[in-house]
Amino acid sequence: DTEVTQTPKHLVMGMTNKKSLKCEQHMGHRAMYWYKQKAKKPPELMFVYSYEKLSINESVPSRFSPECPNSSLLNLHLHALQPEDSALYLCASSQRQGRGEKLFFGSGTQLSVL
Amino acid sequence: DAKTTQPNSMESNEEEPVHLPCNHSTISGTDYIHWYRQLPSQGPEYVIHGLTSNVNNRMASLAIAEDRKSSTLILHRATLRDAAVYYCILSTTGTASKLTFGTGTRLQVTL
Repeated sequence: DTEVTQTPKHLVMGMTNKKSLKCEQHMGHRAMYWYKQKAKKPPELMFVYSYEKLSINESVPSRFSPECPNSSLLNLHLHALQPEDSALYLCASSQRQGRGEKLFFGSGTQLSVL
Repeated sequence: DAKTTQPNSMESNEEEPVHLPCNHSTISGTDYIHWYRQLPSQGPEYVIHGLTSNVNNRMASLAIAEDRKSSTLILHRATLRDAAVYYCILSTTGTASKLTFGTGTRLQVTL
């Protein structure tokens, strides 16, 4: 199984809602990533978890709250988002966090904030 | 972070080889060179990566210049399914390693 599964595939939320994005992998990978991608732009790194601990936070606003409850699961909790947060949110995993590691990406969650 | 420079777009005919260039003049000695591609409506997909020597796999070949300031991704026979955005990325050094995507090259493949 070389898949990274993201749910839901699509999400529409209001600015006062609280929602969560979920990412799962069963490859035994110990590094997991959240990227954000606006239309026609490259993915931008948001967070990296290594061995279930937050390793990198790319100065992401606190309305985005990541969580890594175990080595297979990564969540992104969303609260009080703005319309400009509408984007494709991509999850990825790799065996370890390291320079030569290969990342496996999910298909993403397309988020629309109204 | 070390940066990469790629052409915005390239075109190729089907079943012909494609050479996608990437400049990375500020690469450090321990940075790996990665290539990913993103097909429409999908997440990025790993293509190949290398450090100093040329690399081959079932998808492509990676040719790295001797001074490592540039590299070329080679698709040996382009198909319509290879139409995608191709990203050349340098992985950062240090314990907090990460991949930072550049703007990429949009490859069009025509019959």
